[in-house]
Amino acid sequence: DQQVKQNSPSLSVQEGRISILNCDYTNSMFDYFLWYKKYPAEGPTFLISISSIKDKNEDGRFTVFLNKSAKHLSLHIVPSQPGDSAVYFCAASEVGGKLIFGQGTTLQVKP
Amino acid sequence: DTEVTQTPKHLVMGMTNKKSLKCEQHMGHRAMYWYKQKAKKPPELMFVYSYEKLSINESVPSRFSPECPNSSLLNLHLHALQPEDSALYLCASSQGGAGSYNSPLHFGNGTRLTVT
Repeated sequence: DQQVKQNSPSLSVQEGRISILNCDYTNSMFDYFLWYKKYPAEGPTFLISISSIKDKNEDGRFTVFLNKSAKHLSLHIVPSQPGDSAVYFCAASEVGGKLIFGQGTTLQVKP
Repeated sequence: DTEVTQTPKHLVMGMTNKKSLKCEQHMGHRAMYWYKQKAKKPPELMFVYSYEKLSINESVPSRFSPECPNSSLLNLHLHALQPEDSALYLCASSQGGAGSYNSPLHFGNGTRLTVT
């Protein structure tokens, strides 16, 4: 049973435009959510996180939105750059629990 | 550059070999993790050490044996592996103990393991 789902395996956007990556979850006990970026032959790199008491967190070009009622979060990248091309993993955890990853979305930013 | 260092970067071993993967962090993190990642799949948790004690074993076969000699080091001893164990093995650390609130995992670049 997949508790964290990224339903879009891939996404392609033009440089300078907005990239929106989506993630859905089923466990209402999740209270901490993260996004990781992964380049080939490297480990995942932490990007941004959000706790369940917030609905938005922003860090530079990256903003994460959380909709608890819909059990949905999204990552917005504005403006998108070719260097953002990577696999993006959504992850979630309960307090004291392990981190559960989604399947990942491959983002391609075209020059 | 990642602050979690894993060696070796690549490892090829036969099914009768014994080898070890090593992981080191000097960020003062109190929890360390082993994950396994197959191609086009998310990382899967194997083991968690919290304050140098094994706190989570995700029903991993005994041919994988973790060891945490001190708070900065984490090893994964491999013995009698199967070809299906071929994967990217990732080490990670986090500031708090395992499951600490608001404590993201920091990953190394992994060891690419091939079992022949």
